[in-house]
Amino acid sequence: GDSVTQMEGPVTLSEEAFLTINCTYTATGYPSLFWYVQYPGEGLQLLLKATKADDKGSNKGFEATYRKETTSFHLEKGSVQVSDSAVYFCALLPLNTGGFKTIFGAGTRLFVKA
Amino acid sequence: EAGVVQSPRYKIIEKKQPVAFWCNPISGHNTLYWYLQNLGQGPELLIRYENEEAVDDSQLPKDRFSAERLKGVDSTLKIQPAELGDSAVYLCASSRDKETQYFGPGTRLLVL
Repeated sequence: GDSVTQMEGPVTLSEEAFLTINCTYTATGYPSLFWYVQYPGEGLQLLLKATKADDKGSNKGFEATYRKETTSFHLEKGSVQVSDSAVYFCALLPLNTGGFKTIFGAGTRLFVKA
Repeated sequence: EAGVVQSPRYKIIEKKQPVAFWCNPISGHNTLYWYLQNLGQGPELLIRYENEEAVDDSQLPKDRFSAERLKGVDSTLKIQPAELGDSAVYLCASSRDKETQYFGPGTRLLVL
């Protein structure tokens, strides 16, 4: 079945360091791909998305490129801030569910130290 | 625009007791989701509503869980009786376009 695998955390970085959180997926066809972020005590928020191969989603300095050949959607940011400390979820929306059943990865917790 | 509202935020009960969670979605969002999030895991869908109709409840444990969305707006998720393994965060989300979901802050349940 469809699934999402993301790197285990926690990831601990110093402020201004480069961030990569790996995400790979298994799905038939061309699902839509997402990154959601969950700040402490809050619900998940959509960070960025991409709906077809080679699309790049970007928001708040974060980027991720939909790579069909490697079935990946890695999240990157050039310079992290303390305020980026949160849990990041990679997710996919399979085409064969009528666009309704989003599948989430287990999440990767990021700590950014000042 | 107000976000998805959930209450209560925290609930502690003893096993075998009933518990209910309430969700008010963003105005105009016809699709409403209830998710279960275990510690260290991503959300897992329990049930999805289109207006007042439950169109996907295949993951809802129907022996003890029930849900309703009577007027196609707010929704209630109930557990009766609660078990120790039900301790988790229960998330509600809503959507207008079936792709982008907006999540509430969740209800953290602890069953003792």
